[in-house]
Amino acid sequence: NAGVTQTPKFRILKIGQSMTLQCTQDMNHNYMYWYRQDPGMGLKLIYYSVGAGITDKGEVPNGYNVSRSTTEDFPLRLELAAPSQTSVYFCASIKGGTASYEQYFGPGTRLTVT
Amino acid sequence: AQTVTQSQPEMSVQEAETVTLSCTYDTSESDYYLFWYKQPPSRQMILVIRQEAYKQQNATENRFSVNFQKAAKSFSLKISDSQLGDAAMYFCAYRTSTSGTYKYIFGTGTRLKVLA
Repeated sequence: NAGVTQTPKFRILKIGQSMTLQCTQDMNHNYMYWYRQDPGMGLKLIYYSVGAGITDKGEVPNGYNVSRSTTEDFPLRLELAAPSQTSVYFCASIKGGTASYEQYFGPGTRLTVT
Repeated sequence: AQTVTQSQPEMSVQEAETVTLSCTYDTSESDYYLFWYKQPPSRQMILVIRQEAYKQQNATENRFSVNFQKAAKSFSLKISDSQLGDAAMYFCAYRTSTSGTYKYIFGTGTRLKVLA
């Protein structure tokens, strides 16, 4: 299993551009998450999904959109990029259920908006 | 809403010594999980240890152990026999399971330096 994969690893955007961060997991996990990590800070939840077709907002959803058309994929869309969106983005997943507790993280995407 | 607080932005420990990282949280739930994650310079998030709230016994994983005080809402991490490879950011995290949605809340982290 590849686990959780994210592409790209690095990206520089100009203000106002748009892009999609890709996230794929091959563990048949039901729950998927997008976080952002600003320099020197912890992870903040942007969006999450409890299964295909179901998504919900997290703590900091403004400026982002998500979709979950399949169990495996959970892309994060940035529309009209702003410097405040400069951050490292992590995707994560868990199977779900009370005995499933460990989040599996992707390697992260470092995004710079200038 | 649940919150997680790590009041130590940075800690230092001599190699082979013991260090304790602090974490407090706020919740009205009775059933939840608590975690410590390690993030080395590679940025990869690595699960160090977990604690189920319903368990009174403190979790232990080799050199890592926790002191879980449910009434005080405190969850500290003790690293024994510190090694150079332990140097990293450490994040405390809380998992809520309200209505079957598993959401994780992270603290701001503690940077651990290990001195040779």
